[in-house]
Amino acid sequence: KNEVEQSPQNLTAQEGEFITINCSYSVGISALHWLQQHPGGGIVSLFMLSSGKKKHGRLIATINIQEKHSSLHITASHPRDSAVYICAVPRDGATNKLIFGTGTLLAVQP
Amino acid sequence: NAGVTQTPKFRILKIGQSMTLQCAQDMNHNYMYWYRQDPGMGLKLIYYSVGAGITDKGEVPNGYNVSRSTTEDFPLRLELAAPSQTSVYFCASTWSMNTEAFFGQGTRLTVV
Repeated sequence: KNEVEQSPQNLTAQEGEFITINCSYSVGISALHWLQQHPGGGIVSLFMLSSGKKKHGRLIATINIQEKHSSLHITASHPRDSAVYICAVPRDGATNKLIFGTGTLLAVQP
Repeated sequence: NAGVTQTPKFRILKIGQSMTLQCAQDMNHNYMYWYRQDPGMGLKLIYYSVGAGITDKGEVPNGYNVSRSTTEDFPLRLELAAPSQTSVYFCASTWSMNTEAFFGQGTRLTVV
């Protein structure tokens, strides 16, 4: 079992739909990153969460530290949201090495 | 702020050649990392550094070396390139565990 699990692995949505990607982790400390990678592109940090909820435009991220679970929501999805979404948690505070989830490949169709 | 700058963006190497991938950040981050990403796979940690003068191996260090003589720069050296090192390489940095991670744009390396 992976230390950081994401679901679903693949997701196809119609433009305008509300999308949820889930991340559960069994290790790491109390912080979680959501990253975005477009096909053939670089990696962009969307959120870093240590509690509660954050919102940036159409993106919302929530985290439940006690349950070691986080969700990334995309409202009013658009084809430009098509990308791989990756969650990652720091393994420890000394090195901050990230443990990465396997990623969720999202395709939003017009 | 420029963030994390990686060079080059693309490179083709012949087997046995050497090269250095450059990574620089202007955010005064102590923590820096090198990852490789193989097609369809996740990120694997090659080397990391928790501050100038301090480096350590990650999951897949064989065939690579790093140095961290300054806070800003964290170059990755490939000695005797092999086809198995064909990958996309990302450099990243962060201030602490509770702050955002910044990634470079990646270097797409092909060894033929």
